Amino acid sequence: AQKVTQAQTEISVVEKEDVTLDCVYETRDTTYYLFWYKQPPSGELVFLIRRNSFDEQNEISGRYSWNFQKSTSSFNFTITASQVVDSAVYFCALPFFTSGTYKYIFGTGTRLKVLA
Amino acid sequence: DVKVTQSSRYLVKRTGEKVFLECVQDMDHENMFWYRQDPGLGLRLIYFSYDVKMKEKGDIPEGYSVSREKKERFSLILESASTNQTSMYLCASSSGVFGANVLTFGAGSRLTVL
Repeated sequence: AQKVTQAQTEISVVEKEDVTLDCVYETRDTTYYLFWYKQPPSGELVFLIRRNSFDEQNEISGRYSWNFQKSTSSFNFTITASQVVDSAVYFCALPFFTSGTYKYIFGTGTRLKVLA
Repeated sequence: DVKVTQSSRYLVKRTGEKVFLECVQDMDHENMFWYRQDPGLGLRLIYFSYDVKMKEKGDIPEGYSVSREKKERFSLILESASTNQTSMYLCASSSGVFGANVLTFGAGSRLTVL
C-alpha cells in the first residue's frame, strides 16, 4: 500500500531556530519519487523539491535541506535559521501509477509557525 | 508563468444547491486533479483526469462528479451540496505520465454550505 505519514501536526519555533519536519512513507514500488510542497497562508501549494529513490544524497538549497533515507523510509525536511516567512503548512507527497497516470498521495501536513 | 486558475476563491451555497467549481490551466497539461483539504486530513483526491473526456475516481468521489470537455478545463460538480462538503477545494495539473512530474496547484476554492 502507498502511504505518507507526517506525524507532526503543528510545530512552533522562534525565529532563527532550526526545525525539522518529518515524513515517513510506504510504497510497493522499487523506484519512486518523493516531493515536498509548501502551502503559505495564501492557500496555493508550491513545489519545493522532488527526490528520486535512486539518489540518497542529502540536498541543500539555501536554508532548506532534505535528508532521504531509504533504510528508514523517511524524507525529512530541515529549515535552518527559520524566518517568519517560513510559516506555512508543509506537505510530503508520493506519486504512484494507477488508472493511466500518476496519483499523488499526500501526508496530512505539518503546520509550521515561526514566531518573531 | 504557468498557471492553474480556479474560478472562485470563496463560495457560500445552501444545502441542496448544485455547485460548479471551475479550473483552467494554461500549460497544456494532460492530467488534472481535484483535491479536498480538511484540517487534520490533509489533501484527499476526489477525481482525476488524464485526458479529455476521461475521468477516474479518486479516494472520496461520493457526492461529486466531474467534467472535462476541453483539455484546459476540469470542472467539479456537487449535484446537491451538503454541509459535510464544506471544505477547501484544490485543483492541480501535471504533464505526461511520469512519476517525477510536478503538480501545479490553483489558489483553492473555499466552499461553505449552509
